[in-house]
Amino acid sequence: GDSVTQMEGPVTLSEEAFLTINCTYTATGYPSLFWYVQYPGEGLQLLLKATKADDKGSNKGFEATYRKETTSFHLEKGSVQVSDSAVYFCALSRVNYGGSQGNLIFGKGTKLSVKP
Amino acid sequence: SQTIHQWPATLVQPVGSPLSLECTVEGTSNPNLYWYRQAAGRGLQLLFYSVGIGQISSEVPQNLSASRPQDRQFILSSKKLLLSDSGFYLCAWRPGNTIYFGEGSWLTVV
Repeated sequence: GDSVTQMEGPVTLSEEAFLTINCTYTATGYPSLFWYVQYPGEGLQLLLKATKADDKGSNKGFEATYRKETTSFHLEKGSVQVSDSAVYFCALSRVNYGGSQGNLIFGKGTKLSVKP
Repeated sequence: SQTIHQWPATLVQPVGSPLSLECTVEGTSNPNLYWYRQAAGRGLQLLFYSVGIGQISSEVPQNLSASRPQDRQFILSSKKLLLSDSGFYLCAWRPGNTIYFGEGSWLTVV
């Protein structure tokens, strides 16, 4: 079945460091790919998305490129801030398939802590 | 604009007591609605989804149930809570190909 694998955390970085959180997926067909962020004590917010191969999603300085050849959607940011401390979830959605009506398949999440 | 709300935000309930979490969506009609659970130290698990009034599909057999009495209302319930029901419950809806989440409800069963 479909699945998402993302790097285990926690990840601890200093402010202004470069961030990469790896995400790979297994899916039949052409899923849409997403990154969600969960700040402490809050729900999930959509961070960025990409709906087809080679698309690049970007938001708040974060970027991720849909790589079909490597089945990956790695999250990157050039210079992290303390306010980026959160849990990041990679997810895929098989919108055009039956079953769970476009349900999201999530990775287990990666906790990022940014130190000043 | 479309928004999603769920409540209560925090709940502490004794084992064996009932549960009702409510979710409403504004600014849209006939949305697909979802209930997810995030247990401590674990990822997100889809519990229920609904494509319309009275139409509920369960993804995981458990102590919980869901109902959709109105187009934009989705309710998560239990008749008798278990300790293992503790977690963070998220309601979500899907316009197009993107799922958006509510603020979440923290449930602690004691």
